[in-house]
Amino acid sequence: AQKITQTQPGMFVQEKEAVTLDCTYDTSDQSYGLFWYKQPSSGEMIFLIYQGSYDEQNATEGRYSLNFQKARKSANLVISASQLGDSAMYFCAMRGGYNQGGKLIFGQGTELSVKP
Amino acid sequence: GAVVSQHPSRVICKSGTSVKIECRSLDFQATTMFWYRQFPKQSLMLMATSNEGSKATYEQGVEKDKFLINHASLTLSTLTVTSAHPEDSSFYICSARTSTSLRGYTFGSGTRLTVV
Repeated sequence: AQKITQTQPGMFVQEKEAVTLDCTYDTSDQSYGLFWYKQPSSGEMIFLIYQGSYDEQNATEGRYSLNFQKARKSANLVISASQLGDSAMYFCAMRGGYNQGGKLIFGQGTELSVKP
Repeated sequence: GAVVSQHPSRVICKSGTSVKIECRSLDFQATTMFWYRQFPKQSLMLMATSNEGSKATYEQGVEKDKFLINHASLTLSTLTVTSAHPEDSSFYICSARTSTSLRGYTFGSGTRLTVV
């Protein structure tokens, strides 16, 4: 069975500082994908970054980077130079192998608050 | 980019009535649609996976007779909450596979259902 765990219900960060949001996963699939989404209070899901299980380099998208440690089964999101607009819920998600039907399973989420 | 239009964005209904939520893929063919439910400050819980032209696959614990999913065309999937009760009040959101790309998911904007 697949499982995604986010152990930080809430995080605070000072504006312009960097912050790391933790995510660990468990799967028996060799091929899988890891995603991070941002969900503001409006409810929309905003794609931030993707890491494939076979990708050797850590993914980066602008101010977002994913610290992928395959042996530890962790996929932490690093946000550099936090902005007030970064305040939102952040979800880590995993897509399993072919026999999982392509469904995304989400972690519990982390509520990030950026302080001015 | 790929867009999924979800309607209505908010709905209030009386207990015992049924509510239909629509998700339309506007510029691509969505062969697979995922339906999620989200309570405040909680994760997105996968309810079911619908594939065009076939019966939906429901996750364990989801009542298929209560949450009717129809995916009759490549651009439209619907979720009907039948005989709604206050405990069905939640945020419902759909997600479509946009392509064979590993990262290809697009979310609707969500429907906030309140049953009174």
